[in-house]
Amino acid sequence: KAGVTQTPRYLIKTRGQQVTLSCSPISGHRSVSWYQQTPGQGLQFLFEYFSETQRNKGNFPGRFSGRQFSNSRSEMNVSTLELGDSALYLCASSFGQDLTDTQYFGPGTRLTVL
Amino acid sequence: AQKVTQAQTEISVVEKEDVTLDCVYETRDTTYYLFWYKQPPSGELVFLIRRNSFDEQNEISGRYSWNFQKSTSSFNFTITASQVVDSAVYFCALSEAPGNTPLVFGKGTRLSVIA
Repeated sequence: KAGVTQTPRYLIKTRGQQVTLSCSPISGHRSVSWYQQTPGQGLQFLFEYFSETQRNKGNFPGRFSGRQFSNSRSEMNVSTLELGDSALYLCASSFGQDLTDTQYFGPGTRLTVL
Repeated sequence: AQKVTQAQTEISVVEKEDVTLDCVYETRDTTYYLFWYKQPPSGELVFLIRRNSFDEQNEISGRYSWNFQKSTSSFNFTITASQVVDSAVYFCALSEAPGNTPLVFGKGTRLSVIA
């Protein structure tokens, strides 16, 4: 079974631009979570979707948004990029609606904001 | 509020040595789940183990073993006879039940195994 895939793997943007990252979960998984990883803050939860509904949201500004499609694929969008948005963005999928289920992570998208 | 502490920021060992990575957690729930993930230089977090709060039996998987002690709120991870391929950042994480709260990760421990 294929793992979680994320595209693109690397991205360079400039301040003020917007970016969209994509995540395809493991086949059959319906929950998708997004995390931001930076050297200073570590792994921080962004949001989680199940059956196209956002169920949880972390403490991030409204510039960070996401959505999930009927096939469970998910996208996250960051508008008006800031230098501090440079990070590794990780997507994880799990089977059910319980967040205590094991989450399987993708390889991440490394975003650099110049 | 839930919290995970990995006090060891970086550990360096010589190949074939045993190494233990510490994880201390805080939670007010009686039902919760603990996880360990490995993050090699490629960046992907690799799932290692999931343990619920009612199962205090130690777990062994090849060279990996985990010691769960509720009395000290610890879930430590030991690698026996370490290898260079074990070099990575290891994260401990906590999820409270019912499962509507997201995973909370520790800051991670960077393990370097030197040949």
